[in-house]
Amino acid sequence: EIVLTQSPGTLSLSPGERATLSCRASQSVSSSYLAWYQQKPGQAPRLLIYGASSRATGIPDRFSGSGSGTDFTLTISRLEPEDFAVYYCQQYGSSPTQYTFGQGTKLEIK
Amino acid sequence: QVQLQQWGAGLLKPSETLSLTCAVYGGSFSGYYWSWIRQPPGKGLEWIGEINHSGSTNYNPSLKSRVTISVDTSKNQFSLKLSSVTAADTAVYYCARDRVLLWFGDWGDYGMDVWGQGTTVTVSS
Repeated sequence: EIVLTQSPGTLSLSPGERATLSCRASQSVSSSYLAWYQQKPGQAPRLLIYGASSRATGIPDRFSGSGSGTDFTLTISRLEPEDFAVYYCQQYGSSPTQYTFGQGTKLEIK
Repeated sequence: QVQLQQWGAGLLKPSETLSLTCAVYGGSFSGYYWSWIRQPPGKGLEWIGEINHSGSTNYNPSLKSRVTISVDTSKNQFSLKLSSVTAADTAVYYCARDRVLLWFGDWGDYGMDVWGQGTTVTVSS
């Protein structure tokens, strides 16, 4: 089973700053199967990025994803007030079929 | 616009069976896999399992012995049953759309792009 480890656990930044969130896999993950989600309190997660770097429908271009192999990054270029939330990475594995999530990074206002 | 509407019992006693249903409105039902995910209070997300329109399922190995996911294509619905629940199964349960059937017959993963509203399930004696 692939384990996803996200860092940092909490990131304190101010609006307008750049946020860099990390997701590290215990073994190589296909870039095609790495996604990022945003979750706000009391809400379901929202898909931000799939295929490691493709933005989902309606996601602003300040969100970008990159990486390959075991190291992936979600970057928010210029934080807006509505971006403060918890972010999860997720991978899909086909042998056997399984989805796993990272433990999450909380992005909080400094 | 695809929407997922889920429902089910919110309060269970230990050893009972959790039962939730998710209805899909709008869009294709047969062209996707459909997942259940849960989130214990204050914790992260855990994938439970998935099903497609033909009834093909995949489960999280850690829950496989207690989970059954079924489908009713006549109603565009899929359901989750989790047996012998304990307090550790207390969580918000979500349904979501995941893999899509591609034109050449394979399944493509483009993330879980549509989610239900979540159902809070509490297990307590």
